[in-house]
Amino acid sequence: DAGVIQSPRHEVTEMGQEVTLRCKPISGHDYLFWYRQTMMRGLELLIYFNNNVPIDDSGMPEDRFSAKMPNASFSTLKIQPSEPRDSAVYFCASSQGADTQYFGPGTRLTVL
Amino acid sequence: KQEVTQIPAALSVPEGENLVLNCSFTDSAIYNLQWFRQDPGKGLTSLLLIQSSQREQTSGRLNASLDKSSGRSTLYIAASQPGDSATYLCAVIGGNQFYFGTGTSLTVIP
Repeated sequence: DAGVIQSPRHEVTEMGQEVTLRCKPISGHDYLFWYRQTMMRGLELLIYFNNNVPIDDSGMPEDRFSAKMPNASFSTLKIQPSEPRDSAVYFCASSQGADTQYFGPGTRLTVL
Repeated sequence: KQEVTQIPAALSVPEGENLVLNCSFTDSAIYNLQWFRQDPGKGLTSLLLIQSSQREQTSGRLNASLDKSSGRSTLYIAASQPGDSATYLCAVIGGNQFYFGTGTSLTVIP
């Protein structure tokens, strides 16, 4: 398996624009997690899905953030409108049950 | 390549005891170190983040220390409770790279 795939790897956008981050989990994994990493706050869990259903979105910072998982092989994290303070690295991870989470390479987002 | 080790792999203590979890890493050139808690079927919950310039961080009953020169971090849990039962992971972070330890499975017995 190619591991968790995220796209794009880098995204630079202007404040107010919509940003969509994409994730393809490892085939057969039933859990998918979205994290955000900043130097000041480290790694933070935003939301996670089990069998395509959102289980806990309490980490989503505000209504500008939304996540979907239309099927077992694809998820998106959308920010609309984006703000400079959203600049961070966004990671997607997947796991089979409570086993080890496998992280994707991350998307580095810069909002100007 | 950074290697992160956590000892012990499993720990069982009676409620009320103070305990220490250990994390060691081989490369001291780190950006920061983060302790997480993992409950079965849930995402990682961040407990404490220690920047590379800091030596410790405290949150409630938790205290984490960092000694870069010796490649060690400890997580101290005071007055343990059954609700503390979980797997505790440390992660050494350098840029975009995460190096997770293997975790310590903690059981607090009522």
